[in-house]
Amino acid sequence: DQQVKQNSPSLSVQEGRISILNCDYTNSMFDYFLWYKKYPAEGPTFLISISSIKDKNEDGRFTVFLNKSAKHLSLHIVPSQPGDSAVYFCATHTGNQFYFGTGTSLTVIP
Amino acid sequence: NAGVTQTPKFQVLKTGQSMTLQCAQDMNHEYMSWYRQDPGMGLRLIHYSVGAGITDQGEVPNGYNVSRSTTEDFPLRLLSAAPSQTSVYFCASSYEGRYTDTQYFGPGTRLTVL
Repeated sequence: DQQVKQNSPSLSVQEGRISILNCDYTNSMFDYFLWYKKYPAEGPTFLISISSIKDKNEDGRFTVFLNKSAKHLSLHIVPSQPGDSAVYFCATHTGNQFYFGTGTSLTVIP
Repeated sequence: NAGVTQTPKFQVLKTGQSMTLQCAQDMNHEYMSWYRQDPGMGLRLIHYSVGAGITDQGEVPNGYNVSRSTTEDFPLRLLSAAPSQTSVYFCASSYEGRYTDTQYFGPGTRLTVL
């Protein structure tokens, strides 16, 4: 069973607009969440994270929101740029093991 | 500083063949791990290691062996390849494996088993 779920396989957004990528998780005990970005033919790279003691974390154009009651997190990218076109994975952990979602492919249209 | 390197980039095997996917890192990281990425499945943890001589199973360990004789290297062995092992394999490392440590991924190995 997927510990984290990304129900939207793809998303298209106009350049300059907001991109919102969503992720749901199954276990309310998860305490730390991460987003990774992946370009074709490359490995994923870390983007941003959030601890369960917070409900928001911001890093430049990227903001992650955590709604613990809904077991939901989202990544907001504002403004979206063509270079943001990539696959985005949300992830969480149990001890030393990390669980990744299935990914959302974002296309930012110039 | 090369980061995490993986060889080969591409490999085609026949069912039943064995092979080793190589992974090395030059960041003196204690934690190393192997993932496979399949369409619609995301990245799934195969095996991981928290230091030389210590390995443990992840979500999908069956059909794979690992060992960690040095801090730098963490090879993944397929003893008898099966078509179900066709996938893209990523190696990753982090400083100590704490969940707050950033994981650095290699570029991946695309494996096809016929």
